[in-house]
Amino acid sequence: EAQVTQNPRYLITVTGKKLTVTCSQNMNHEYMSWYRQDPGLGLRQIYYSMNVEVTDKGDVPEGYKVSRKEKRNFPLILESPSPNQTSLYFCASSPYNGDQGTEAFFGQGTRLTVV
Amino acid sequence: KQEVTQIPAALSVPEGENLVLNCSFTDSAIYNLQWFRQDPGKGLTSLLLIQSSQREQTSGRLNASLDKSSGRSTLYIAASQPGDSATYLCAVKPYNFNKFYFGSGTKLNVKP
Repeated sequence: EAQVTQNPRYLITVTGKKLTVTCSQNMNHEYMSWYRQDPGLGLRQIYYSMNVEVTDKGDVPEGYKVSRKEKRNFPLILESPSPNQTSLYFCASSPYNGDQGTEAFFGQGTRLTVV
Repeated sequence: KQEVTQIPAALSVPEGENLVLNCSFTDSAIYNLQWFRQDPGKGLTSLLLIQSSQREQTSGRLNASLDKSSGRSTLYIAASQPGDSATYLCAVKPYNFNKFYFGSGTKLNVKP
């Protein structure tokens, strides 16, 4: 089954304690991205990757890091989490080509609370 | 810059009604448009994808249309049910693709 898997689904942590949210896809997609969703602000892109070892900032990259060492994995790293990073996080993947029929797949979401 | 707008922001209807959700976008240079459903605090479930060369797509009680020239898409839900209650999001994939542009969603409540 084609899917994007995020872990953990729920996480409560304390300010300043480094954490990693993992994302893995099994569709051999080139493009992967992280979004955060906040009430009233919608979905905002944090970082994206067009392929292995190619990453770039999205709209709200401050306080986050990513890496793309393998095509299937795209972890999101919070080196020193702060309460304003409390949010619902989504990982997405898609083929990166001009095919109109290529849809986006999203993970189940990670609910992060930083206290 | 692409902007995606969804109207209405919220909708409450009695069970059995047919309803239309609207999505508009400012730049017609898109590969496709996707409709998603999101239950509270949950992930995004893909409902329908319309390619830019298509006019509509159907899945069960759902029908989505696309008018790229006018920058509009509609999601039609026939014979609504309480289980349809959720937030519906539309997203476009632009030609200069590095991210998906999302609307802010329509929160649907179908009353029994």
